Amino acid sequence: NAGVTQTPKFQVLKTGQSMTLQCAQDMNHEYMSWYRQDPGMGLRLIHYSVGAGITDQGEVPNGYNVSRSTTEDFPLRLLSAAPSQTSVYFCASSYASSEGEAFFGQGTRLTVV
Amino acid sequence: AQSVSQHNHHVILSEAASLELGCNYSYGGTVNLFWYVQYPGQHLQLLLKYFSGDPLVKGIKGFEAEFIKSKFSFNLRKPSVQWSDTAEYFCAACSGGYNKLIFGAGTRLAVHP
Repeated sequence: NAGVTQTPKFQVLKTGQSMTLQCAQDMNHEYMSWYRQDPGMGLRLIHYSVGAGITDQGEVPNGYNVSRSTTEDFPLRLLSAAPSQTSVYFCASSYASSEGEAFFGQGTRLTVV
Repeated sequence: AQSVSQHNHHVILSEAASLELGCNYSYGGTVNLFWYVQYPGQHLQLLLKYFSGDPLVKGIKGFEAEFIKSKFSFNLRKPSVQWSDTAEYFCAACSGGYNKLIFGAGTRLAVHP
């Protein structure tokens, strides 16, 4: 049982480049989310999805796009990377009934130069 | 606005010392509370959770937390820490729908042998 799988684990981008962070879960969870982790600020919600075809913005959505075409996958797209997007990104998934209990991936460490 | 605050950003202890990490939340209604732990190089894992009932909850690895509604607090405790408890600890809250978590800034715990 793989749980929540994120790829890549590390990435360096140049300012203005675009890329997609991949997230897949094999637990048939309805909800999926993306968070970014910055020193001294904890994790902040970027976007979330409550099911295939349904997404919404979190606390810090600017500069990021998401889509959810299947239950399993929830990719995060950076359209034009900026140094302010240097961070560690975590994908999470949960059952709709879990009342907040979530499973997290191992994270993607992104550096934008 | 909903928020979670953690009192200590860095804590250094010797093995066998007792641990208490503070967490306060600001929410208007019913809230579910969590402590997550992130060991070096690993993803976030659930340590314990509080939804309702007994305000003293026990988690994995000997950790416990006490929910005090009058103080809006959910402090994490462990009577005797081990070197393997070195990690970053995050308090989180969930209120309303869609399992959106609000995290505190995190506390880095270093346990010296």
